Amino acid sequence: KAGVTQTPRYLIKTRGQQVTLSCSPISGHRSVSWYQQTPGQGLQFLFEYFSETQRNKGNFPGRFSGRQFSNSRSEMNVSTLELGDSALYLCASSLSRESSYGYTFGSGTRLTVV
Amino acid sequence: AQSVAQPEDQVNVAEGNPLTVKCTYSVSGNPYLFWYVQYPNRGLQFLLKYITGDNLVKGSYGFEAEFNKSQTSFHLKKPSALVSDSALYFCAVRGDNYGQNFVFGPGTRLSVLP
Repeated sequence: KAGVTQTPRYLIKTRGQQVTLSCSPISGHRSVSWYQQTPGQGLQFLFEYFSETQRNKGNFPGRFSGRQFSNSRSEMNVSTLELGDSALYLCASSLSRESSYGYTFGSGTRLTVV
Repeated sequence: AQSVAQPEDQVNVAEGNPLTVKCTYSVSGNPYLFWYVQYPNRGLQFLLKYITGDNLVKGSYGFEAEFNKSQTSFHLKKPSALVSDSALYFCAVRGDNYGQNFVFGPGTRLSVLP
């Protein structure tokens, strides 16, 4: 079955612009989480969506937002981009919010802000 | 608060030798523990998990991990390393309360030398 699909794979944006990243989870998976990965900070949790509702949120400014659609696809948006937003953004889906379930990750979107 | 420590940034091992990547954790309640591997410019791939039962867990690609409750550790091991095992390895913990997020360690870079 298809894995977690993230689009686009690569993006180059300029400071001040906004960007939208997309994530299609594995069919049947209802939980989608987003992470930012940078060499200096490692994996940092952005937010989690389940049944179209944000369930948890990490410690990121309000410029970072997301949503989930009825088909469980998710988007995240970053407004007023800063150089420090350059990172690999990873989406992960899970069948359930039960703790015994692991994540399946997408390949990520590499965002470069210039 | 949940936390994961991976005390070694880098582990070097010769091909054919056994490898260990260390992980210790802190969590309230019972821990659910996971290991993921990341290859360059890719998302994280699931290796194995401990939920309950036997303390020795076997996973993908010949990897195994030993859960030690008294030492709050979950070290990843492989009896004979391959050059293709060279990658970034992440340990993660999730508490057993419903809806708890994953907490990832900072990652350990494994280099297997031919």
